[in-house]
Amino acid sequence: DTGVSQDPRHKITKRGQNVTFRCDPISEHNRLYWYRQTLGQGPEFLTYFQNEAQLEKSRLLSDRFSAERPKGSFSTLEIQRTEQGDSAMYLCASGVTEAFFGQGTRLTVV
Amino acid sequence: RKEVEQDPGPFNVPEGATVAFNCTYSNSASQSFFWYRQDCRKEPKLLMSVYSSGNEDGRFTAQLNRASQYISLLIRDSKLSDSATYLCVVTRSGGSYIPTFGRGTSLIVHP
Repeated sequence: DTGVSQDPRHKITKRGQNVTFRCDPISEHNRLYWYRQTLGQGPEFLTYFQNEAQLEKSRLLSDRFSAERPKGSFSTLEIQRTEQGDSAMYLCASGVTEAFFGQGTRLTVV
Repeated sequence: RKEVEQDPGPFNVPEGATVAFNCTYSNSASQSFFWYRQDCRKEPKLLMSVYSSGNEDGRFTAQLNRASQYISLLIRDSKLSDSATYLCVVTRSGGSYIPTFGRGTSLIVHP
């Protein structure tokens, strides 16, 4: 499968715990995006990488959120001290012009 | 005002109907435009790009009006399988080229 891959697909965590999600983009894509989506809303931009450089972060990305893309390949998104409001679908996308999405990681904070 | 605005619907239409969605965007310097389709609890998937000259793919026609800053999607001869949420996407100009999504328009096609 040469599409965007995300892991895990589902994550249930207790409030206050840290979680980390992984995204493996399509190999020839140098742009990688993270989005968050809640019910009834479109995907909201979180952050963007061009190769290994994190070039833009949304105001939505509080200091509890951090993302990395070492060596310009896979990316990780970590949320520290999770809150119930962090419950959402976290989507990763890669692309050159269009964005191609992975299946997402559904996070539930209880 | 949101960067990309869409009527959330739902649009409830019978099979075989023609349905049109509009989307407006606020940044006149926006560069590229797309329609995505999203099924319930699935990821968004690219439906089609939108060009200034308009483009057609089977039953789907997309048009762009830069002067009025809106994008449209027309679906002819609706099928039950067209039921989904349709997301309008606009990318910013400049180096970052970040896709910005509308909230989506829900389409329900019934028998």
